[in-house]
Amino acid sequence: DSGVTQTPKHLITATGQRVTLRCSPRSGDLSVYWYQQSLDQGLQFLIQYYNGEERAKGNILERFSAQQFPDLHSELNLSSLELGDSALYFCASSVEWAGPTGNTIYFGEGSWLTVV
Amino acid sequence: GENVEQHPSTLSVQEGDSAVIKCTYSDSASNYFPWYKQELGKGPQLIIDIRSNVGEKKDQRIAVTLNKTAKHFSLHITETQPEDSAVYFCAAPGSNEKLTFGTGTRLTIIP
Repeated sequence: DSGVTQTPKHLITATGQRVTLRCSPRSGDLSVYWYQQSLDQGLQFLIQYYNGEERAKGNILERFSAQQFPDLHSELNLSSLELGDSALYFCASSVEWAGPTGNTIYFGEGSWLTVV
Repeated sequence: GENVEQHPSTLSVQEGDSAVIKCTYSDSASNYFPWYKQELGKGPQLIIDIRSNVGEKKDQRIAVTLNKTAKHFSLHITETQPEDSAVYFCAAPGSNEKLTFGTGTRLTIIP
Protein backbone atom coordinates (compact mmCIF):
# COMPACT_ATOMS: atom_id res chain seq x y z
CA ASP A 1 0.00 0.00 0.00
CA SER A 2 1.58 3.25 -1.22
CA GLY A 3 -0.57 5.49 0.97
CA VAL A 4 -2.08 7.28 -2.03
CA THR A 5 -5.85 6.81 -2.16
CA GLN A 6 -7.91 7.13 -5.31
CA THR A 7 -11.66 7.00 -5.75
CA PRO A 8 -13.61 5.62 -7.48
CA LYS A 9 -11.72 2.47 -8.49
CA HIS A 10 -14.01 1.83 -11.44
CA LEU A 11 -16.35 4.12 -13.31
CA ILE A 12 -18.52 3.57 -16.37
CA THR A 13 -20.13 6.55 -18.02
CA ALA A 14 -21.58 7.64 -21.33
CA THR A 15 -20.04 9.84 -23.97
CA GLY A 16 -20.59 13.53 -23.38
CA GLN A 17 -20.75 13.14 -19.63
CA ARG A 18 -18.51 14.61 -16.96
CA VAL A 19 -16.74 12.76 -14.15
CA THR A 20 -14.56 13.69 -11.21
CA LEU A 21 -11.72 11.52 -9.94
CA ARG A 22 -10.44 12.07 -6.45
CA CYS A 23 -7.02 11.57 -4.93
CA SER A 24 -5.69 11.79 -1.40
CA PRO A 25 -1.89 11.96 -1.30
CA ARG A 26 0.34 10.25 1.22
CA SER A 27 0.44 11.97 4.57
CA GLY A 28 2.96 14.80 4.40
CA ASP A 29 3.24 14.88 0.62
CA LEU A 30 2.72 18.31 -0.95
CA SER A 31 2.92 17.38 -4.63
CA VAL A 32 0.21 15.57 -6.55
CA TYR A 33 0.54 14.29 -10.10
CA TRP A 34 -2.01 12.91 -12.51
CA TYR A 35 -1.11 10.36 -15.19
CA GLN A 36 -3.19 8.67 -17.87
CA GLN A 37 -2.55 5.10 -18.98
CA SER A 38 -4.49 3.77 -21.97
CA LEU A 39 -4.63 0.07 -22.80
CA ASP A 40 -1.11 -1.25 -23.37
CA GLN A 41 0.23 2.28 -23.28
CA GLY A 42 2.75 3.99 -21.11
CA LEU A 43 2.18 6.59 -18.44
CA GLN A 44 1.27 9.95 -19.92
CA PHE A 45 1.81 12.89 -17.61
CA LEU A 46 -1.20 15.17 -17.36
CA ILE A 47 -0.60 17.75 -14.64
CA GLN A 48 1.16 18.40 -11.35
CA TYR A 49 0.19 20.46 -8.34
CA TYR A 50 2.38 21.53 -5.49
CA ASN A 51 0.82 22.82 -2.28
CA GLY A 52 -2.28 23.99 -4.10
CA GLU A 53 -0.61 25.59 -7.10
CA GLU A 54 -0.26 24.20 -10.60
CA ARG A 55 3.40 23.35 -11.09
CA ALA A 56 3.72 21.57 -14.42
CA LYS A 57 1.47 20.69 -17.29
CA GLY A 58 1.72 17.84 -19.73
CA ASN A 59 -0.51 16.73 -22.57
CA ILE A 60 -3.72 17.47 -20.75
CA LEU A 61 -6.73 18.11 -22.95
CA GLU A 62 -8.70 21.33 -22.56
CA ARG A 63 -11.72 19.20 -21.62
CA PHE A 64 -9.79 18.06 -18.56
CA SER A 65 -9.00 20.15 -15.51
CA ALA A 66 -7.62 19.57 -12.05
CA GLN A 67 -7.15 21.28 -8.76
CA GLN A 68 -5.52 20.72 -5.42
CA PHE A 69 -7.41 21.80 -2.34
CA PRO A 70 -6.09 23.30 0.93
CA ASP A 71 -6.19 19.87 2.57
CA LEU A 72 -3.92 18.73 -0.32
CA HIS A 73 -6.36 16.30 -1.86
CA SER A 74 -6.77 16.67 -5.60
CA GLU A 75 -9.53 16.19 -8.12
CA LEU A 76 -9.29 15.55 -11.84
CA ASN A 77 -12.35 16.64 -13.79
CA LEU A 78 -12.99 15.08 -17.18
CA SER A 79 -15.78 16.59 -19.26
CA SER A 80 -17.44 16.02 -22.66
CA LEU A 81 -16.12 12.49 -22.44
CA GLU A 82 -15.24 10.60 -25.58
CA LEU A 83 -14.68 6.89 -26.15
CA GLY A 84 -10.94 7.54 -26.41
CA ASP A 85 -10.85 8.87 -22.86
CA SER A 86 -11.31 5.34 -21.56
CA ALA A 87 -8.16 4.66 -19.57
CA LEU A 88 -6.61 4.15 -16.17
CA TYR A 89 -6.02 7.44 -14.42
CA PHE A 90 -3.33 7.41 -11.79
CA CYS A 91 -2.65 9.87 -9.08
CA ALA A 92 0.79 10.01 -7.52
CA SER A 93 2.32 12.08 -4.77
CA SER A 94 5.71 13.12 -3.48
CA VAL A 95 7.06 15.18 -0.63
CA GLU A 96 8.17 17.97 -2.93
CA TRP A 97 8.28 18.52 -6.64
CA ALA A 98 10.27 15.99 -8.65
CA GLY A 99 12.83 18.24 -10.29
CA PRO A 100 16.15 17.10 -11.75
CA THR A 101 17.37 16.00 -8.36
CA GLY A 102 14.31 13.82 -8.13
CA ASN A 103 11.99 12.87 -5.37
CA THR A 104 10.33 9.51 -5.22
CA ILE A 105 6.75 9.60 -6.36
CA TYR A 106 4.25 7.07 -5.09
CA PHE A 107 1.30 5.93 -7.17
CA GLY A 108 -2.22 5.10 -6.16
CA GLU A 109 -4.03 2.05 -7.51
CA GLY A 110 -5.75 4.07 -10.22
CA SER A 111 -9.27 4.87 -11.33
CA TRP A 112 -10.42 2.80 -14.27
CA LEU A 113 -12.69 4.91 -16.50
CA THR A 114 -14.76 3.30 -19.21
CA VAL A 115 -16.67 5.56 -21.58
CA VAL A 116 -19.47 3.85 -23.51
CA GLY B 1 11.80 18.37 -22.20
CA GLU B 2 13.05 14.97 -21.21
CA ASN B 3 12.78 12.09 -23.68
CA VAL B 4 13.08 8.57 -22.29
CA GLU B 5 13.40 5.52 -24.53
CA GLN B 6 13.04 2.01 -23.15
CA HIS B 7 13.95 -1.34 -24.70
CA PRO B 8 12.84 -4.00 -25.21
CA SER B 9 9.07 -3.59 -25.19
CA THR B 10 8.59 -7.27 -24.38
CA LEU B 11 10.97 -9.76 -22.83
CA SER B 12 10.55 -13.44 -22.04
CA VAL B 13 13.11 -15.32 -19.98
CA GLN B 14 13.30 -18.75 -18.43
CA GLU B 15 12.81 -18.90 -14.70
CA GLY B 16 16.18 -18.60 -13.01
CA ASP B 17 17.78 -16.67 -15.86
CA SER B 18 18.60 -12.96 -15.81
CA ALA B 19 16.64 -10.13 -17.39
CA VAL B 20 18.00 -6.77 -18.50
CA ILE B 21 15.97 -3.71 -19.48
CA LYS B 22 17.66 -0.61 -20.87
CA CYS B 23 16.68 3.05 -20.97
CA THR B 24 18.20 6.14 -22.49
CA TYR B 25 17.40 9.73 -21.61
CA SER B 26 18.04 13.06 -23.25
CA ASP B 27 18.20 15.75 -20.58
CA SER B 28 21.69 15.97 -19.09
CA ALA B 29 20.21 17.77 -16.07
CA SER B 30 18.52 14.55 -14.92
CA ASN B 31 20.22 12.95 -11.97
CA TYR B 32 17.59 10.68 -10.50
CA PHE B 33 16.48 7.47 -12.18
CA PRO B 34 13.73 5.31 -10.68
CA TRP B 35 12.34 1.99 -11.86
CA TYR B 36 8.73 1.00 -11.32
CA LYS B 37 7.02 -2.37 -11.50
CA GLN B 38 3.36 -2.54 -12.46
CA GLU B 39 1.41 -5.72 -11.88
CA LEU B 40 -1.87 -6.34 -13.64
CA GLY B 41 -4.62 -4.07 -12.34
CA LYS B 42 -2.34 -2.24 -9.92
CA GLY B 43 -0.50 1.04 -9.76
CA PRO B 44 3.23 1.30 -10.52
CA GLN B 45 5.38 0.52 -7.52
CA LEU B 46 8.91 1.83 -7.04
CA ILE B 47 11.36 -1.08 -6.89
CA ILE B 48 14.73 0.65 -7.06
CA ASP B 49 16.22 4.03 -7.90
CA ILE B 50 19.65 5.51 -8.44
CA ARG B 51 21.10 8.97 -8.23
CA SER B 52 23.87 10.23 -10.46
CA ASN B 53 26.54 10.23 -7.80
CA VAL B 54 26.75 6.43 -8.02
CA GLY B 55 27.16 4.11 -10.97
CA GLU B 56 25.42 1.05 -9.57
CA LYS B 57 22.97 0.13 -6.87
CA LYS B 58 21.86 -3.30 -5.80
CA ASP B 59 18.96 -4.60 -3.75
CA GLN B 60 18.90 -8.39 -3.46
CA ARG B 61 18.12 -9.73 -6.95
CA ILE B 62 17.62 -6.31 -8.49
CA ALA B 63 20.33 -3.91 -9.61
CA VAL B 64 20.44 -0.69 -11.58
CA THR B 65 23.46 0.67 -13.44
CA LEU B 66 23.91 4.21 -14.69
CA ASN B 67 26.19 5.65 -17.35
CA LYS B 68 25.79 9.43 -17.25
CA THR B 69 28.23 10.01 -20.08
CA ALA B 70 26.22 7.85 -22.44
CA LYS B 71 22.92 8.87 -20.81
CA HIS B 72 21.64 5.39 -20.25
CA PHE B 73 20.65 3.25 -17.30
CA SER B 74 19.64 -0.36 -16.99
CA LEU B 75 17.65 -2.64 -14.71
CA HIS B 76 19.07 -6.08 -14.02
CA ILE B 77 17.01 -8.85 -12.42
CA THR B 78 18.88 -12.03 -11.55
CA GLU B 79 17.52 -15.49 -10.68
CA THR B 80 14.14 -14.52 -12.07
CA GLN B 81 11.00 -15.92 -10.49
CA PRO B 82 7.38 -16.14 -11.74
CA GLU B 83 6.39 -13.22 -9.51
CA ASP B 84 8.79 -11.01 -11.45
CA SER B 85 6.36 -11.13 -14.38
CA ALA B 86 5.01 -7.58 -14.76
CA VAL B 87 5.45 -4.39 -16.75
CA TYR B 88 8.53 -2.39 -15.81
CA PHE B 89 8.92 1.35 -16.37
CA CYS B 90 12.02 3.49 -16.17
CA ALA B 91 11.81 7.24 -15.62
CA ALA B 92 13.88 10.39 -15.54
CA PRO B 93 12.90 13.85 -14.26
CA GLY B 94 14.63 16.29 -16.60
CA SER B 95 14.76 19.99 -15.80
CA ASN B 96 11.07 20.71 -16.31
CA GLU B 97 9.97 19.28 -12.98
CA LYS B 98 8.00 16.34 -14.29
CA LEU B 99 8.93 12.68 -14.25
CA THR B 100 8.95 11.27 -17.78
CA PHE B 101 8.42 7.54 -18.11
CA GLY B 102 9.64 5.09 -20.68
CA THR B 103 7.09 3.14 -22.68
CA GLY B 104 7.40 0.07 -20.49
CA THR B 105 8.72 -3.48 -20.83
CA ARG B 106 6.40 -6.44 -20.40
CA LEU B 107 8.51 -9.11 -18.71
CA THR B 108 7.28 -12.69 -18.77
CA ILE B 109 9.03 -15.37 -16.74
CA ILE B 110 8.61 -18.82 -18.27
CA PRO B 111 8.38 -21.57 -15.62
